[in-house]
Amino acid sequence: QKEVEQDPGPLSVPEGAIVSLNCTYSNSAFQYFMWYRQYSRKGPELLMYTYSSGNKEDGRFTAQVDKSSKYISLFIRDSQPSDSATYLCAMIRFGNEKLTFGTGTRLTIIP
Amino acid sequence: GAVVSQHPSWVICKSGTSVKIECRSLDFQATTMFWYRQFPKQSLMLMATSNEGSKATYEQGVEKDKFLINHASLTLSTLTVTSAHPEDSSFYICSARDLSGLMNTEAFFGQGTRLTVV
Repeated sequence: QKEVEQDPGPLSVPEGAIVSLNCTYSNSAFQYFMWYRQYSRKGPELLMYTYSSGNKEDGRFTAQVDKSSKYISLFIRDSQPSDSATYLCAMIRFGNEKLTFGTGTRLTIIP
Repeated sequence: GAVVSQHPSWVICKSGTSVKIECRSLDFQATTMFWYRQFPKQSLMLMATSNEGSKATYEQGVEKDKFLINHASLTLSTLTVTSAHPEDSSFYICSARDLSGLMNTEAFFGQGTRLTVV
């Protein structure tokens, strides 16, 4: 079993819809959670960084963490074609250097 | 967010030659840098972790003599692919974190380097 599970998609939604992206993890030692957006042939861009259960909002993006269920989500409101990319969740154990990534979800927003 | 600059963004080289990729943190001190390799439509595969001033720690299966990593300063790490072969063609990405403080910090990525060996 992988430490971090993420549905690879692909996921296609119409423009303006709310997108929900999810990851589950098995190791309760993960304390820090990140969401990255990666466009084709580019490096990942940090979208959200959080370390506590609950919601964190930044513009059209909301990151949600439920440590009791070992489940994290990224919501995108009013989705735009420019949101079409691969979204990667990543996690870090406290005091650890390395990130553990999900496989990434390919998202396409249809105009 | 913090900026990590990776150069070059793409390179084509002949089989048997060596290629150097640079990764710079522009506005923070990167105590730790990571080098990843990414195949098409796949997630990032960690190759090695480097801490400033010390030898890199390589992941299992990664040849340390082939992928030379130097992290001589808090703002610069380099990856040299030695005696490159077509199977080394891939997308290489660096990442940097500042782990000097008590708090865990997020990781920022470079733009990636597409290496094609012909």
